[in-house]
Amino acid sequence: EPEVTQTPSHQVTQMGQEVILRCVPISNHLYFYWYRQILGQKVEFLVSFYNNEISEKSEIFDDQFSVERPDGSNFTLKIRSTKLEDSAMYFCASNRDGAYEQYFGPGTRLTVT
Amino acid sequence: SQQGEEDPQALSIQEGENATMNCSYKTSINNLQWYRQNSGRGLVHLILIRSNEREKHSGRLRVTLDTSKKSSSLLITASRAADTASYFCARDSNDYKLSFGAGTTVTVRA
Repeated sequence: EPEVTQTPSHQVTQMGQEVILRCVPISNHLYFYWYRQILGQKVEFLVSFYNNEISEKSEIFDDQFSVERPDGSNFTLKIRSTKLEDSAMYFCASNRDGAYEQYFGPGTRLTVT
Repeated sequence: SQQGEEDPQALSIQEGENATMNCSYKTSINNLQWYRQNSGRGLVHLILIRSNEREKHSGRLRVTLDTSKKSSSLLITASRAADTASYFCARDSNDYKLSFGAGTTVTVRA
């Protein structure tokens, strides 16, 4: 069964450094998302992406964040200058056109020290 | 907040018992979805109920939806140790974005 993959599984970085989290959505899916989950808290929407542009973004998704689909398979989240409070699990998800069920990747645990 | 809220926050039951958790939301929904998350892992879609449906079944799962009360419930029957996980309701909108509740942590004791 096709699945969403994410790399790396765990990323440790120092405050102020840039990180890029990578995702490969399911191949016939058209909508892509990033969510984050701070330890012990609810899953929060960051951004949705469709047709090579951002569809919607949350208040969390400020100028430090950007997303890109550099080729036909990868979908990336970049944090330009990480802060301690960016430490969280970051989940990528995707879904087909017309289907509301989303398929989530296993997540990347980002630790900012 | 437009996001759902679940109760209880945590639930501990014996294997074979039923587990029921509830979700409330504040704004109108397109669909209401339930997801499961095993510890430290990604979310897995369980079931989706449309705003014009009242009840839906999938295997040992039963979901109800009461739009007048803006609430939904998830029932897991004959629970197994493998059902130990966190369960989240999520409201979706026409743009597909999911708004999650805080979740219910279910522990099934053998």
